[in-house]
Amino acid sequence: GAGVSQSPSNKVTEKGKDVELRCDPISGHTALYWYRQRLGQGLEFLIYFQGNSAPDKSGLPSDRFSAERTGESVSTLTIQRTQQEDSAVYLCASSLGSGGGYEQFFGPGTRLTVL
Amino acid sequence: GDSVTQMEGPVTLSEEAFLTINCTYTATGYPSLFWYVQYPGEGLQLLLKATKADDKGSNKGFEATYRKETTSFHLEKGSVQVSDSAVYFCALTTTSGTYKYIFGTGTRLKVLA
Repeated sequence: GAGVSQSPSNKVTEKGKDVELRCDPISGHTALYWYRQRLGQGLEFLIYFQGNSAPDKSGLPSDRFSAERTGESVSTLTIQRTQQEDSAVYLCASSLGSGGGYEQFFGPGTRLTVL
Repeated sequence: GDSVTQMEGPVTLSEEAFLTINCTYTATGYPSLFWYVQYPGEGLQLLLKATKADDKGSNKGFEATYRKETTSFHLEKGSVQVSDSAVYFCALTTTSGTYKYIFGTGTRLKVLA
């Protein structure tokens, strides 16, 4: 595809359920990022993948959050035992590389609502 | 740690007014600096960037100059239009570790006709 795609676009779930969010980066982009954007707030870094290097998980807010990436393609972000404070828009971005001013290309986001 | 601070919004201007959105940063080394824009109902997109001190990024009439002495990257436009109404995010890439991006909290701009 031409850009970063994410699915689902919207997800409503009940507190305590697990959810899985998907990101398809731009083909050839080695770096992939997940962010969280709470209502009226800025972007909060969650996790970063670069090629075959160990991911930077320093932004994950708790052990209920995890993410995987298959090679340099699809990534999934999993939230276990969701809480109401997990409600946010989850954004995925990819770039050709890391550092040196590489532009990040963002997907449209997944809006997660935890009831 | 590294951080980005933006002026609080919302900023409301009349069409053709001059715009400044302040952004300052704290970082070790020499980060790259960015402005991203989020139009209503759309995703984030890069507006402009600068990768070293004294560089000026520009796009769509917007400009920002990388000022290392004042650790700033203020966004300016000489004459705003209604179509510029959006949320603007200042960001930097860290220069060590895994080059993650750090974003400011965003500034909402509303331009009135």
